[in-house]
Amino acid sequence: DAGVTQSPTHLIKTRGQQVTLRCSPKSGHDTVSWYQQALGQGPQFIFQYYEEEERQRGNFPDRFSGHQFPNYSSELNVNALLLGDSALYLCASSFEGVVGYTFGSGTRLTVV
Amino acid sequence: GEDVEQSLFLSVREGDSSVINCTYTDSSSTYLYWYKQEPGAGLQLLTYIFSNMDMKQDQRLTVLLNKKDKHLSLRIADTQTGDSAIYFCAEKRDSGTYKYIFGTGTRLKVLA
Repeated sequence: DAGVTQSPTHLIKTRGQQVTLRCSPKSGHDTVSWYQQALGQGPQFIFQYYEEEERQRGNFPDRFSGHQFPNYSSELNVNALLLGDSALYLCASSFEGVVGYTFGSGTRLTVV
Repeated sequence: GEDVEQSLFLSVREGDSSVINCTYTDSSSTYLYWYKQEPGAGLQLLTYIFSNMDMKQDQRLTVLLNKKDKHLSLRIADTQTGDSAIYFCAEKRDSGTYKYIFGTGTRLKVLA
């Protein structure tokens, strides 16, 4: 049973560019959350998608946007990249009645 | 504030017990979690505890919850070198919010 799949695993972007990260949730899960983990820090909540809608958002600027598709997969888009956006971006999936998230291995984004 | 606090480092000898501590912030937290992160990987759910429990045991893992002091601990019995990783506690607050708030993580090093 495949867990949460994220792509790409690594990428390098230049300041001001835009990036799209992708996530396929664990089979049977319908909710996708995105977290940003800066080096040496714990994950910070970006937003959560459920039924193709953003259900809750953390304290991130609107340069961060997302989407959920009918098959429950999700994308995270970041516009006008800043050096401070360099981090590990984690996707987590869940399902009502199941305690806790299942995390993917993350996408390591480096902005230069 | 939203800070969940953990000590940064813990070093133990193989075969000893490890105790990782966490102080959370909100007495209305419903679930408290412990996640493990190995180098280059995402987060793996180790165990969790409901807020109406004081203790939970799961094989080598024991979770203790002191709601009065908002203190959570994870004890790992017979610690092995494979337990070396970063451990995060996380809280999920009252209904109406879906995000988890993570601590900064405790790096556990197990010495052979």
